[in-house]
Amino acid sequence: KQEVTQIPAALSVPEGENLVLNCSFTDSAIYNLQWFRQDPGKGLTSLLLIQSSQREQTSGRLNASLDKSSGRSTLYIAASQPGDSATYLCAVMGSNYQLIWGAGTKLIIKP
Amino acid sequence: EAGVAQSPRYKIIEKRQSVAFWCNPISGHATLYWYQQILGQGPKLLIQFQNNGVVDDSQLPKDRFSAERLKGVDSTLKIQPAKLEDSAVYLCASSLGPGTQPQHFGDGTRLSIL
Repeated sequence: KQEVTQIPAALSVPEGENLVLNCSFTDSAIYNLQWFRQDPGKGLTSLLLIQSSQREQTSGRLNASLDKSSGRSTLYIAASQPGDSATYLCAVMGSNYQLIWGAGTKLIIKP
Repeated sequence: EAGVAQSPRYKIIEKRQSVAFWCNPISGHATLYWYQQILGQGPKLLIQFQNNGVVDDSQLPKDRFSAERLKGVDSTLKIQPAKLEDSAVYLCASSLGPGTQPQHFGDGTRLSIL
């Protein structure tokens, strides 16, 4: 049974710092891995999607990497801004096309 | 394009009462999902529809939860009777097809059981 873990559960950093969020999964037989953002009281917004055959994806200040063999993904945020404050969740999709989610990392960027 | 619409945004009921949530997916999206997100956890899939048929409801507590998607568009999720552990945010998402990404999410309904 696939399990997804995100560490740390919460992170608070000053504005301008580069930071890394971690996601690990137990079953490497995944279809893809996605990173989502969730603002308080809102739904989830897809940030980056990495197919199982890919190693990384980039969008603006965000870069996500995938190492299937070790069951790990990282989300790198460059030059963090207060607007980046949110909860970041990773989710893996298996062969049944369903998402298994981590519990998220709550990120606070201090001005 | 209009996003996924959900209502109500908030609902407070007492245990053993019933409640219903409504979802209108993005136009043309054949696949619709209902998720339960308990505070501090990731979403858990309750049920997945493809058009008006159920693809997976293996994690839906069928003794108290029911869902339907008549005409393959709007969907309703009902809880009857509610228990304290049902307090959560109920998220609806839609996609063009199963496995098609990304899934687009509504803002959810926050349910509190007293």
